Amino acid sequence: AQSVTQPDIHITVSEGASLELRCNYSYGATPYLFWYVQSPGQGLQLLLKYFSGDTLVQGIKGFEAEFKRSQSSFNLRKPSVHWSDAAEYFCAVGGGSNYKLTFGKGTLLTVNP
Amino acid sequence: EADIYQTPRYLVIGTGKKITLECSQTMGHDKMYWYQQDPGMELHLIHYSYGVNSTEKGDLSSESTVSRIRTEHFPLTLESARPSHTSQYLCASSATGRSGNTIYFGEGSWLTVV
Repeated sequence: AQSVTQPDIHITVSEGASLELRCNYSYGATPYLFWYVQSPGQGLQLLLKYFSGDTLVQGIKGFEAEFKRSQSSFNLRKPSVHWSDAAEYFCAVGGGSNYKLTFGKGTLLTVNP
Repeated sequence: EADIYQTPRYLVIGTGKKITLECSQTMGHDKMYWYQQDPGMELHLIHYSYGVNSTEKGDLSSESTVSRIRTEHFPLTLESARPSHTSQYLCASSATGRSGNTIYFGEGSWLTVV
């Protein structure tokens, strides 16, 4: 069975600081990996996705993520956080003919001025 | 990006009432999903559809039902709402093909049952 672990429930960073959100997955084959962001009272917006190829994926809003098969990880990074990045971030895994995604429990990001 | 519309966005309703949450998408996606999310919690798949007249239960048991009579429309119905149904319901869709695993979400419907 596929699963996703986001070890950090809540992270606080200062505006302008760098950010890394952790994601570990379990999947029996080559995974499709996603990061979504959710602002309060809103739906989920896709930040970036990995299907194959280059293991460093660029997304919207200056985010990037790196797929590391050996560590079963897909960590999300941003070099300089903006106050508007404060939100909940969800990592998800799926793949192949399985069109259903499994989500992690999310990481809440707080940005201090 | 998919355009997915959910109505109502917010609903407060009394116990025992029947409700239908509407979801429509304009991208012609064949697959559609309903996720349930309690505040501050993870998403759980409650229903999905691979096409017209196809509906399946998701990973989390739900008393709601769904129908898929048209490709673009995937409504969710609760015949008799209870306070335990209070939650956010997120509709989503995806297309068959290499990018088919990319699921796009609507803005959600917040349901409060009093």
